[in-house]
Amino acid sequence: GDSVTQMEGPVTLSEEAFLTINCTYTATGYPSLFWYVQYPGEGLQLLLKATKADDKGSNKGFEATYRKETTSFHLEKGSVQVSDSAVYFCALSAAGGFKTIFGAGTRLFVKA
Amino acid sequence: GAVVSQHPSRVICKSGTSVKIECRSLDFQATTMFWYRQFPKQSLMLMATSNEGSKATYEQGVEKDKFLINHASLTLSTLTVTSAHPEDSSFYICSAPTRAGSSLYGYTFGSGTRLTVV
Repeated sequence: GDSVTQMEGPVTLSEEAFLTINCTYTATGYPSLFWYVQYPGEGLQLLLKATKADDKGSNKGFEATYRKETTSFHLEKGSVQVSDSAVYFCALSAAGGFKTIFGAGTRLFVKA
Repeated sequence: GAVVSQHPSRVICKSGTSVKIECRSLDFQATTMFWYRQFPKQSLMLMATSNEGSKATYEQGVEKDKFLINHASLTLSTLTVTSAHPEDSSFYICSAPTRAGSSLYGYTFGSGTRLTVV
C-alpha cells in the first residue's frame, strides 16, 4: 500500500543553519504531496504542497520539490529560526483519493 | 482562509463518562471530516471518516460503539468518546478537505483536543 517514510528526529540545529528533512514515498499513480507543521499543543497546519512531478512547493522560506524519479519530497530551508521549532509531517494523498497518509513526523529543535 | 474550529481544546474527565468533541468548518463546507488520534511523539492515526448525512466509515481496529461520530450538517462533525477509560487519553484532531470534493488543496486541521481520562 501507499506509505511515507521520513527521517527520524529529533533534528537539532543552530539558528541560521540549513535544514533538510528527507521524505520518500511509495504510491501508485501520481499522488499529491504535502508538508504539514505542528507547533506544540496545536493541530497541523499545511506548510506547502505539490501536485505533480517537478512541482516545487514553497512557503515561509521552506521549499520541497516533487521528484518522481526518486519518489522524494525533501523539505529544505536555507536559514532556520528558533520559531521554526516544531514537528514536521510529510504526507501524501493518492491520486483520486481522499485519505491522507502521514509520515511519522520529524521533530526540529532550533537553538539560539 | 479555511478554518476548522475544534473544541474543547482540553478536557479532563472521570473514567466511565462520555466526552463530546466538536469540529466546525468556518467559511467553507466540510462534506467530509477525518478524525485522527495522535499518541505522544507519534504520527496521526486515522480513526474514521465522516460524511455529512451518512454513517461514518471506521478504520480497522477502531470501535465504532466507543467512538461515536455524527456529521449532521455541512459545517459540524462531532466525535463522542463513550465510557472513557484512561487508555483513551490522547490528542484527537479533525480535518476536512480545504476544497470540498478534492484532496489537491490539502486539508484544514482543527487545533486538536487533549483528552485526559482519570
